[in-house]
Amino acid sequence: NAGVTQTPKFQVLKTGQSMTLQCAQDMNHNSMYWYRQDPGMGLRLIYYSASEGTTDKGEVPNGYNVSRLNKREFSLRLESAAPSQTSVYFCASSSFPSGGTDTQYFGPGTRLTVL
Amino acid sequence: RKEVEQDPGPFNVPEGATVAFNCTYSNSASQSFFWYRQDCRKEPKLLMSVYSSGNEDGRFTAQLNRASQYISLLIRDSKLSDSATYLCVVNIDNAGNMLTFGGGTRLMVKP
Repeated sequence: NAGVTQTPKFQVLKTGQSMTLQCAQDMNHNSMYWYRQDPGMGLRLIYYSASEGTTDKGEVPNGYNVSRLNKREFSLRLESAAPSQTSVYFCASSSFPSGGTDTQYFGPGTRLTVL
Repeated sequence: RKEVEQDPGPFNVPEGATVAFNCTYSNSASQSFFWYRQDCRKEPKLLMSVYSSGNEDGRFTAQLNRASQYISLLIRDSKLSDSATYLCVVNIDNAGNMLTFGGGTRLMVKP
């Protein structure tokens, strides 16, 4: 049982390049989330998906797109990377709305640098 | 004003000390409250949920004061392994399970 996995672990991009961050969970969770974490700031929600086929914007969605490919996988795409998107990206999942708990479980993160 | 505010620290304490962190939140409609722990360069992990009546898990005690909109975490008999950043987390929207994170309080326990 791997929990939440993310690939890649590290990535360096040049301004204007595109890339997709992958996330998968094996806990049969309904909800999945993408966050970014910057020094001195809390995690900020980029997008979330309450179920397969649905996605919603979070606090900081500009410059990102997401796809809930199936129940297990939730990807985050940067179409044209900017230095302001240098950050650590965390994917999380939760059994919410079923399961009676809103605890979120996090993947190990992707450290992205945009030059 | 940030929705969830914490003193960033660092709190430097000797082993065996008792240390307390506070957190304030701005949305009075908030429903669920948590403390997460984050080790350096690792992902956040749930430490404990916070209930209105207060709850304890071993050396850790969490309390909620809805009237004053603050949450506290007390760590007794600090261990070196308690060194980490502690994140105060609030669910302000039960409909979507959207968690709002504080910036974290860094704890360093010294021998």
